[in-house]
Amino acid sequence: DTGVSQDPRHKITKRGQNVTFRCDPISEHNRLYWYRQTLGQGPEFLTYFQNEAQLEKSRLLSDRFSAERPKGSFSTLEIQRTEQGDSAMYLCASSFQGSSYNEQFFGPGTRLTVL
Amino acid sequence: GESVGLHLPTLSVQEGDNSIINCAYSNSASDYFIWYKQESGKGPQFIIDIRSNMDKRQGQRVTVLLNKTVKHLSLQIAATQPGDSAVYFCAERITAGGTSYGKLTFGQGTILTVHP
Repeated sequence: DTGVSQDPRHKITKRGQNVTFRCDPISEHNRLYWYRQTLGQGPEFLTYFQNEAQLEKSRLLSDRFSAERPKGSFSTLEIQRTEQGDSAMYLCASSFQGSSYNEQFFGPGTRLTVL
Repeated sequence: GESVGLHLPTLSVQEGDNSIINCAYSNSASDYFIWYKQESGKGPQFIIDIRSNMDKRQGQRVTVLLNKTVKHLSLQIAATQPGDSAVYFCAERITAGGTSYGKLTFGQGTILTVHP
């Protein structure tokens, strides 16, 4: 257990529905990342927060995706009008900017299945 | 190793053997490299990292080697144990404009299977 938690662990939804995932980072970590991982691939970067500011978004993050970190602690990732291609594992990671290596610690992920 | 249905390279070893997992990275501007271990149904777990100003770093039972000339990274696991069976990913980080956002770019994973 890295100390990063994600909820829910599994989500099954029908195409067209909206879903929201939550990530709770390690408490003193000021940086938070979202990645997406499909079967047989490594994680792909989606977006990054430093405190409450969203500083970078991947072109993978279509306008159906939105992420927030309102108080600089937990973060949510919402997918609107889900499509079957959104089926993947959504991973959250956190890190502390002040550490020498800025190593990222990953949560267990939320596995999304869109039917 | 040979490719499997998931198109990931595989490495099969006997318990107690040493394992070497290789990775080619893409960007010569990358300044930080990490190896992660991922077990089924879990998130990636940090194993060891190395900065671009080093060519070798050792941890407990693991060693990472970096060859910047050919953009190659390797992970050596000594006395491999069944609990080491997992998918191993290398990742690189690029410092942009002096500010490192820490975004990681992951390589293709390697499936390590350790037989008792």
